[in-house]
Amino acid sequence: QQQVKQSPQSLIVQKGGISIINCAYENTAFDYFPWYQQFPGKGPALLIAIRPDVSEKKEGRFTISFNKSAKQFSLHIMDSQPGDSATYFCAANLGSNYKLTFGKGTLLTVNP
Amino acid sequence: DGGITQSPKYLFRKEGQNVTLSCEQNLNHDAMYWYRQDPGQGLRLIYYSQIVNDFQKGDIAEGYSVSREKKESFPLTVTSAQKNPTAFYLCASRMLGQAYSGANVLTFGAGSRLTVL
Repeated sequence: QQQVKQSPQSLIVQKGGISIINCAYENTAFDYFPWYQQFPGKGPALLIAIRPDVSEKKEGRFTISFNKSAKQFSLHIMDSQPGDSATYFCAANLGSNYKLTFGKGTLLTVNP
Repeated sequence: DGGITQSPKYLFRKEGQNVTLSCEQNLNHDAMYWYRQDPGQGLRLIYYSQIVNDFQKGDIAEGYSVSREKKESFPLTVTSAQKNPTAFYLCASRMLGQAYSGANVLTFGAGSRLTVL
């Protein structure tokens, strides 16, 4: 079973700090690499995504870095805020059949 | 507003009972998916469907069944054969046949929490 490995499992950051979450995938991945943000009791919502032909994408305080040769991608949250406290999931399409495989998630807590 | 509607939000079931979770989307998306979420386990794919009257098993299909009679609807039945059904269930959908453009990403509903008593 193909996997997406996500780390760390949990992360505590002070307000204003940088949060970094890493993911690695096996074999070949297609399509795009999204990050989802989930608040308790809610469904995940797309935060930011990157195409495999791009090495970095930035949207506001959120940046994805993508290393295709290493099969790794990461999420950086600059100037982390208490409102960023949530669970974050990375995902990849590990086949050409349009289904995403998700990492196990990272619980981010940003202390005020 | 376009979106995915899951119902019920909370459901309680006695052991041995089948229950059906509803998922309806008005996004005109081709593909629909069911994921199961457990603490520390991430999101695991149960079933998915790319076209009406066709669906495929995901990674943890045992004990579940689905149907896709309409493009908008993809109900999930949790059968008594599912040994550990207590979980948060998420329905999702997306367009097919297009390169990623930001407009055809996987979109999730708000989820249904099933508890077996």
